[in-house]
Amino acid sequence: NAGVMQNPRHLVRRRGQEARLRCSPMKGHSHVYWYRQLPEEGLKFMVYLQKENIIDESGMPKERFSAEFPKEGPSILRIQQVVRGDSAAYFCASSPDEELFFGSGTQLSVL
Amino acid sequence: GENVEQHPSTLSVQEGDSAVIKCTYSDSASNYFPWYKQELGKGPQLIIDIRSNVGEKKDQRIAVTLNKTAKHFSLHITETQPEDSAVYFCAALGHKLSFGAGTTVTVRA
Repeated sequence: NAGVMQNPRHLVRRRGQEARLRCSPMKGHSHVYWYRQLPEEGLKFMVYLQKENIIDESGMPKERFSAEFPKEGPSILRIQQVVRGDSAAYFCASSPDEELFFGSGTQLSVL
Repeated sequence: GENVEQHPSTLSVQEGDSAVIKCTYSDSASNYFPWYKQELGKGPQLIIDIRSNVGEKKDQRIAVTLNKTAKHFSLHITETQPEDSAVYFCAALGHKLSFGAGTTVTVRA
């Protein structure tokens, strides 16, 4: 059983471009979470999704950020018109119930 | 929402000594408290967890304690080894899993 797979590991974008981060949860897990981590800081909750539903997006900025977890395929975190302040590590976690299993993250750098 | 505070932010210990990290939480409805270890360039890995119906749990050199009345919980690492050097995060599950800011543990050989 493969772990949580995130890709790409590193993503470089110029200001104004779009960033798409992908997350494939562990087999059998129907819950997906996205967290953001700035250097030497903790993990900040962004969004919690189940298949085809957004359960809690209270940590997502109201503009430019969106997330989905379709019936088929990976969960996608999409950032439109990126700015330098979006540079961070973005971690996805999947869960069968309470215990979260994290991927290795995507490091987004905005030039 | 849940607010988790973690102390200290950095901890340096001599190999073989013990390390203790403490966390407090605000939501009395929280009932699940995991601890994660994050090594450089990797995602957080669950190392131990405790639920609200238990006061203490131990797994080899790692132990966690929970005081629901005071709303605080702690991680204890005994006989520390260099490979214990990492960033440790506590978390509390209320409506969602909220994390502390992390403790950077350095074990000196």
